[in-house]
Amino acid sequence: LAKTTQPISMDSYEGQEVNITCSHNNIATNDYITWYQQFPSQGPRFIIQGYKTKVTNEVASLFIPADRKSSTLSLPRVSLSDTAVYYCLVGDPQNQGGKLIFGQGTELSVKP
Amino acid sequence: DVKVTQSSRYLVKRTGEKVFLECVQDMDHENMFWYRQDPGLGLRLIYFSYDVKMKEKGDIPEGYSVSREKKERFSLILESASTNQTSMYLCASAGTSVSTEAFFGQGTRLTVV
Repeated sequence: LAKTTQPISMDSYEGQEVNITCSHNNIATNDYITWYQQFPSQGPRFIIQGYKTKVTNEVASLFIPADRKSSTLSLPRVSLSDTAVYYCLVGDPQNQGGKLIFGQGTELSVKP
Repeated sequence: DVKVTQSSRYLVKRTGEKVFLECVQDMDHENMFWYRQDPGLGLRLIYFSYDVKMKEKGDIPEGYSVSREKKERFSLILESASTNQTSMYLCASAGTSVSTEAFFGQGTRLTVV
């Protein structure tokens, strides 16, 4: 399973765009990149997933360069409620039964 | 609505007790997971099951065992609880389609005294 590296913490202000980058140098051909968000006292919840290039949904965008050795989660115009821990995961759901390994995550703090 | 339900939100047990944490999912998912979460350490995988009666150790299986007799239920067992097992325990389930979206329960805050 590919190991991921993210910044431990980030600070931002309301209304700014936040970009969190994750490094995964050993990503395998069949691996997908998935991001989760976790609020205090809750389990993580899925935000977005991608394989290559760019994926966008109503919550975030995910940018994946051609070599796929990193990915960037982009949160447009954050609000206080986006304060959470964000986890990047890399894996192949059809290999090893889809084992999900979380790293330490990035603790995002949004200030007024 | 998708549901992963953990049997208890808060639990207090004594050192040496046998503790069962139960998790049930209603999505017919093949994969189920048990994690523990401690401040500054993120989520660490304890055990993983990819089918009924099938299990695989995660990163920190010592002191734990699991049971999956039915597809919808995955139990975490602390054979002899110790104070260093005081933690938040999270159960999750996921399918085996291309998407690796996992759904989590609300967590069980276990305190061993």
